[in-house]
Amino acid sequence: GDSVTQMEGPVTLSEEAFLTINCTYTATGYPSLFWYVQYPGEGLQLLLKATKADDKGSNKGFEATYRKETTSFHLEKGSVQVSDSAVYFCALGGSARQLTFGSGTQLTVLP
Amino acid sequence: NAGVMQNPRHLVRRRGQEARLRCSPMKGHSHVYWYRQLPEEGLKFMVYLQKENIIDESGMPKERFSAEFPKEGPSILRIQQVVRGDSAAYFCASSATSTGGNEQFFGPGTRLTVL
Repeated sequence: GDSVTQMEGPVTLSEEAFLTINCTYTATGYPSLFWYVQYPGEGLQLLLKATKADDKGSNKGFEATYRKETTSFHLEKGSVQVSDSAVYFCALGGSARQLTFGSGTQLTVLP
Repeated sequence: NAGVMQNPRHLVRRRGQEARLRCSPMKGHSHVYWYRQLPEEGLKFMVYLQKENIIDESGMPKERFSAEFPKEGPSILRIQQVVRGDSAAYFCASSATSTGGNEQFFGPGTRLTVL
């Protein structure tokens, strides 16, 4: 079945540092890929998505490219801010209608 | 346009009681999904419903859990005879269509604590 493997955290960075959170997936067919962000005590918000190979999703300085050859969708940001501190989830929308999530990566950005 | 609404936001139950969680999807959305998030873990799919129909309940425990999405009113996730292991955050999401590529919008969740 579908699965998502996400870089384990927690990740702690200084403000303005470069961020990478790795995500790889296993799926049949051509899934869509998503990054969601969860702030403390809140629900999940869609950060970005890509629906086909080589697509790049981007939002709020975050980017991720759908790499079919490496089955990856790594999240990157060139310069993180304290306000980016949250839990980040990689997710896959495949042949089944529900989303399959990775285990989440806790990011803490220090001033 | 209001987002996905869930209530209550926090629910405390004693072992053996019933928990009833409600979810109102975004306006115009007829597809509802329930997910459970255990502490320090990702979200796990439980059930997918359309109006008056359960489409996929493969992630739902076989006993004590049930879900419905009536023609009128919110979707309900019901947990009977709760146990401590049911303590978790329960999230509802909705989408306009059922394709895997379609974005799901999440509610703020209901945090269930079983004493």
